[in-house]
Amino acid sequence: AQTVTQSQPEMSVQEAETVTLSCTYDTSENNYYLFWYKQPPSRQMILVIRQEAYKQQNATENRFSVNFQKAAKSFSLKISDSQLGDTAMYFCAFMKGSGGGADGLTFGKGTHLIIQP
Amino acid sequence: KAGVTQTPRYLIKTRGQQVTLSCSPISGHRSVSWYQQTPGQGLQFLFEYFSETQRNKGNFPGRFSGRQFSNSRSEMNVSTLELGDSALYLCASSSGLRDEQFFGPGTRLTVL
Repeated sequence: AQTVTQSQPEMSVQEAETVTLSCTYDTSENNYYLFWYKQPPSRQMILVIRQEAYKQQNATENRFSVNFQKAAKSFSLKISDSQLGDTAMYFCAFMKGSGGGADGLTFGKGTHLIIQP
Repeated sequence: KAGVTQTPRYLIKTRGQQVTLSCSPISGHRSVSWYQQTPGQGLQFLFEYFSETQRNKGNFPGRFSGRQFSNSRSEMNVSTLELGDSALYLCASSSGLRDEQFFGPGTRLTVL
């Protein structure tokens, strides 16, 4: 089974600053996907970014980018020029890339990110 | 395209009752997954359906069951409700089993 660990329960930064959210995972799989999801107060889960483990290039999506270190099993999310609307819970998630399995998405406990005006 | 829809959005039940939650995936998506979110346990995978067949199941008791219809809509049923079943139940759809999952707004279940 795989585990996902987010060591920062809460973070707070000023608007326009850059912030990095940490995520580490443990798995014996070689083929997998990693995701960051955002859950604002509305509770709607929104996909922020996706990374395939076989790709060395880090995924980027506008102001959001990841630092994927496969050997270290680390998958951090960087948010540049943070905005008030970025305030939300952020979840790191893992999915096996092949074969059977009873896991679906495995989520971390989440990081509550607060953007201060 | 319309997003994932879940009904009802809120539900209050008493212990011992049963409940059925519904999820309509994004048009064209054939996979539907269900998750339970609680403050204590976080987000936990319940099960996944693809082409009307349960493909994966998480570590939940048999009181939790589901099904998927030919139009890909899915229902989740919880029988003999317990207080600990109070949670936000999230449904997610994807084109296939290993594709990105898009979530619905959730159903907030309160068991009294």
